[in-house]
Amino acid sequence: SAVISQKPSRDICQRGTSLTIQCQVDSQVTMMFWYRQQPGQSLTLIATANQGSEATYESGFVIDKFPISRPNLTFSTLTVSNMSPEDSSIYLCSVRGQGQNQPQHFGDGTRLSIL
Amino acid sequence: AQTVTQSQPEMSVQEAETVTLSCTYDTSENNYYLFWYKQPPSRQMILVIRQEAYKQQNATENRFSVNFQKAAKSFSLKISDSQLGDTAMYFCAFIPGIIQGAQKLVFGQGTRLTINP
Repeated sequence: SAVISQKPSRDICQRGTSLTIQCQVDSQVTMMFWYRQQPGQSLTLIATANQGSEATYESGFVIDKFPISRPNLTFSTLTVSNMSPEDSSIYLCSVRGQGQNQPQHFGDGTRLSIL
Repeated sequence: AQTVTQSQPEMSVQEAETVTLSCTYDTSENNYYLFWYKQPPSRQMILVIRQEAYKQQNATENRFSVNFQKAAKSFSLKISDSQLGDTAMYFCAFIPGIIQGAQKLVFGQGTRLTINP
């Protein structure tokens, strides 16, 4: 399976600032996703990162708050903008390889705390 | 709506015992994929096992096996000879369809499993 490197692994940020999380994959993948996992909760899909075009956001998530880039088939970034304590979560990058029934694999996640 | 329900928020068993985690889902699709993921305290999401809905045979991976009941929309995970390292959150998930581009994982709320020495 693909090796997924996510940086930073954790950060503590001040209210009102922004943080960009990077996701690097060691092979080309068809689909990349960004998830949020609030404390003690399950995973919620934020958006699908599309290579060369705008990300596809899920209901409740908007581009101004969570801008996403995907310049190529191995790299994506998620920015959490104008952070508030409610944004304290684990953010996970996930990828799926080419092929119809390829499983989805996850990075180690970024634990974000907002003071 | 396409949903996944895990009715057991927490479970605890002794080392070496067998434990079964429950999962039910709701979809109108006929073909789809089912998964169990494990998330230890290190927070990494690890794929444990997967099942294609069009396959009647239950998937197995070493000590992990599933009981897939398509008519009942049930997909339970059995862990045999449980080990301390199995302690983790377990998430049931499925992709409600096999069409590329429509493949979004839907997760259950998770079951926190503790293996006691």
